[in-house]
Amino acid sequence: EVQLVESGGGLVQPGGSLRLSCAASGFTVSSNYMSWVRQAPGKGLEWVSIIYSGGGAYYADSVKGRFTISRDNSKNTLYLQVNSLKTEDTAVYYCARGYGSGWAWNPWGQGTLVTVSS
Amino acid sequence: QSALTQPPSASGSPGQSVTISCTGTSSDVGGYNYVSWYQQHPGKAPKLMIYEVTKRPSGVPDRFSGSKSGNTASLTVSGLQVEDEADYYCSSYAGNKQVFGGGTKLTVL
Repeated sequence: EVQLVESGGGLVQPGGSLRLSCAASGFTVSSNYMSWVRQAPGKGLEWVSIIYSGGGAYYADSVKGRFTISRDNSKNTLYLQVNSLKTEDTAVYYCARGYGSGWAWNPWGQGTLVTVSS
Repeated sequence: QSALTQPPSASGSPGQSVTISCTGTSSDVGGYNYVSWYQQHPGKAPKLMIYEVTKRPSGVPDRFSGSKSGNTASLTVSGLQVEDEADYYCSSYAGNKQVFGGGTKLTVL
């Protein structure tokens, strides 16, 4: 069964950092394109970042220069390093596997909540 | 403000059909056949319902269908069932980035 499990969220002060993890099972992360998508409380979905199987990555303008997507092939795990956090980064962060060729996401993990507050 | 425009709400009775629109620009919806639709129940992760405008992942009922005309994509849910009540989001590839709609709350009356 294909499954994604996120972890690493929590409460952090503005300007702080976290590393979010997404452990995959049932498939190989490095052979797929993967993404992070976030959802602020009570709001809609916002794409954050993508990493291709070849290693290339892209970011939303709102996080460029502050967030870094990566993966550990030996652990079959996707990461999102989030630095210089702002209150507007407060959200549930989901990881997801690419499906088809057009940036569709399936499945999604259950999400991990990041709260940025002083 | 979301990049793609969806109606905030839609409704229908069991057995009826409902269509949700998703309007973008020639830089996203109109420029690529990479529109996806997601269903999200309260407190749950989103679920892919339609990808590449018209395709359904395995396990998604054929009551769900997608289409596109110009800069507007649409999701149609036929034969509405109580369990279809959820939030629905569209998304589109937009050239090394992705944009989502603000979501539509579908109520099954």
